[in-house]
Amino acid sequence: AQTVTQSQPEMSVQEAETVTLSCTYDTSESNYYLFWYKQPPSRQMILVIRQEAYKQQNATENRFSVNFQKAAKSFSLKISDSQLGDTAMYFCAFMTGAGTASKLTFGTGTRLQVTL
Amino acid sequence: EAGVTQSPTHLIKTRGQQATLRCSPISGHTSVYWYQQALGLGLQFLLWYDEGEERNRGNFPPRFSGRQFPNYSSELNVNALELDDSALYLCASSQGLADYEQYFGPGTRLTVT
Repeated sequence: AQTVTQSQPEMSVQEAETVTLSCTYDTSESNYYLFWYKQPPSRQMILVIRQEAYKQQNATENRFSVNFQKAAKSFSLKISDSQLGDTAMYFCAFMTGAGTASKLTFGTGTRLQVTL
Repeated sequence: EAGVTQSPTHLIKTRGQQATLRCSPISGHTSVYWYQQALGLGLQFLLWYDEGEERNRGNFPPRFSGRQFPNYSSELNVNALELDDSALYLCASSQGLADYEQYFGPGTRLTVT
């Protein structure tokens, strides 16, 4: 079974600064997908970024980028130029890539507070 | 384009009753996933439906059940409610078996008293 670990329950960053959220996972599979989801106080889960394990290049979406280290089973999220609207719970998630889509396995989340 | 919708927003039930939660996927999406987000337990996978069939089930008792209708909307039923069933229930949809991205609805907050 796959597990996802987020070791930072809470983090704080000042507006315009950069913050990195950590995620590690455990799997014996070679093909899989990794995701970061954001859940603001409105509670709607929003997909932030996705990484396919077979791709060596780190995914980037505007101010959000990942550092994917497959050998270390690490998948961190970097938020550049933090904005107040980035305040939310951030969940790292894993999905097996064995042929078809499947369920998401989530970490316990990191609560990010962006301050003035 | 409308996103995933869920109803009701809030639901209050007493222990032993039954709860029915509903989800409408994004137009064109055939897969619907259900997750439970309970305080202190994180997000746990409940059920997955695609093209009307149950594809996978999480580690939950049989009193958690559901179905998917021909229009791909879905219903989650929880029988014999227990206090620990109080949680946010999230529905997500995707374009089908080959789509690895899931898009979530706003959730239904179920409170069992």
